[in-house]
Amino acid sequence: DTAVSQTPKYLVTQMGNDKSIKCEQNLGHDTMYWYKQDSKKFLKIMFSYNNKELIINETVPNRFSPKSPDKAHLNLHINSLELGDSAVYFCASSTLGVGKNYGYTFGSGTRLTVV
Amino acid sequence: DAKTTQPTSMDCAEGRAANLPCNHSTISGNEYVYWYRQIHSQGPQYIIHGLKNNETNEMASLIITEDRKSSTLILPHATLRDTAVYYCIVLSGNTGKLIFGQGTTLQVKP
Repeated sequence: DTAVSQTPKYLVTQMGNDKSIKCEQNLGHDTMYWYKQDSKKFLKIMFSYNNKELIINETVPNRFSPKSPDKAHLNLHINSLELGDSAVYFCASSTLGVGKNYGYTFGSGTRLTVV
Repeated sequence: DAKTTQPTSMDCAEGRAANLPCNHSTISGNEYVYWYRQIHSQGPQYIIHGLKNNETNEMASLIITEDRKSSTLILPHATLRDTAVYYCIVLSGNTGKLIFGQGTTLQVKP
């Protein structure tokens, strides 16, 4: 009954490969997010979808492509993986209100290691 | 985007109250203050949020100054399991973007 679930939890892959991380939420939220936490532990937002529409697209290499098939799912596909992509990727979801968010919840993260 | 400033680290004795300060001097009138914490490399966990009034829930209390330029998160009886990085965040606009700073590493000691 996990609220925001990500798969896989760990991902080890070679440079140049293409990989996907999946995220699902069962909270009925209308907005989903991807955050990246690098080795220095800073958390930065990458993308956000509201009702399947992209609303936040930070300065991220275009090798990263989010896809939201429906409100409950937001997947992250990464092409041509590089060493610098190694990080922990967190999915989150919420319901957007005016000036605030309701129930902003994070998943447990996917630790990506590129070798 | 309103920025926040927090001390890098703090210690607290187990059973005592932990008071974590945050400055957000550029906050706008309709921006909320949120607090999250991250234990090890787990996903950030929501603690509390507020706009103007002080707030309390089962985890913590949030005290916001009258000018809204700073706030304090209070953990009334800290336990070893409260050891974590605590983030004070001002919610940016209507997009839901959370801008995390370096946070405060709280070490609760026996």
